[in-house]
Amino acid sequence: DTAVSQTPKYLVTQMGNDKSIKCEQNLGHDTMYWYKQDSKKFLKIMFSYNNKELIINETVPNRFSPKSPDKAHLNLHINSLELGDSAVYFCASSQEPSAKTQYFGPGTRLLVL
Amino acid sequence: TQLLEQSPQFLSIQEGENLTVYCNSSSVFSSLQWYRQEPGEGPVLLVTVVTGGEVKKLKRLTFQFGDARKDSSLHITAAQPGDTGLYLCAGGLGGYQKVTFGIGTKLQVIP
Repeated sequence: DTAVSQTPKYLVTQMGNDKSIKCEQNLGHDTMYWYKQDSKKFLKIMFSYNNKELIINETVPNRFSPKSPDKAHLNLHINSLELGDSAVYFCASSQEPSAKTQYFGPGTRLLVL
Repeated sequence: TQLLEQSPQFLSIQEGENLTVYCNSSSVFSSLQWYRQEPGEGPVLLVTVVTGGEVKKLKRLTFQFGDARKDSSLHITAAQPGDTGLYLCAGGLGGYQKVTFGIGTKLQVIP
């Protein structure tokens, strides 16, 4: 019974390609997030959606576009991938935007060659 | 500069030793969380502290929130190899409680 799941777990691709990462939560939460964790393990928020509406949009290149088809799903599409996009991307969810507990997915390891 | 500074960033100790990890900021947080992340997995919440001066215990782990709600500490008593992992503090700020993470403390407990 995976609470927050992400696919794929590993993604290796060439520079310039477009790729998508999918996230699903079965916790009935209203809020979902995307985080990026770099090689130094620093975890930084990218986006947050509440009930399919974007509520947090950090300084992220517009090559990154999140999409929430419903409140249980939050996908991340990346255009024109660059070497610096290589990182681990984590999806997370919480009951509401102000909730103190976030549940994280297992991460997607993206390597851009 | 990080909003939340964690120290030390790396810690390697022998099984049975005690240790303390610190999380400091110049900002006041409405709440502060501690997460543990194991290799290849996402962070898992250990505890949330919300009241200045609050102390919470989780088996051999003791968490404290500073009186001014700007800092926190995690103390582990008699560390075990199973405690090995990346410990992250995170604080909630702003109307939507945007969570900001510290850089993390990588702990290795040697048997």
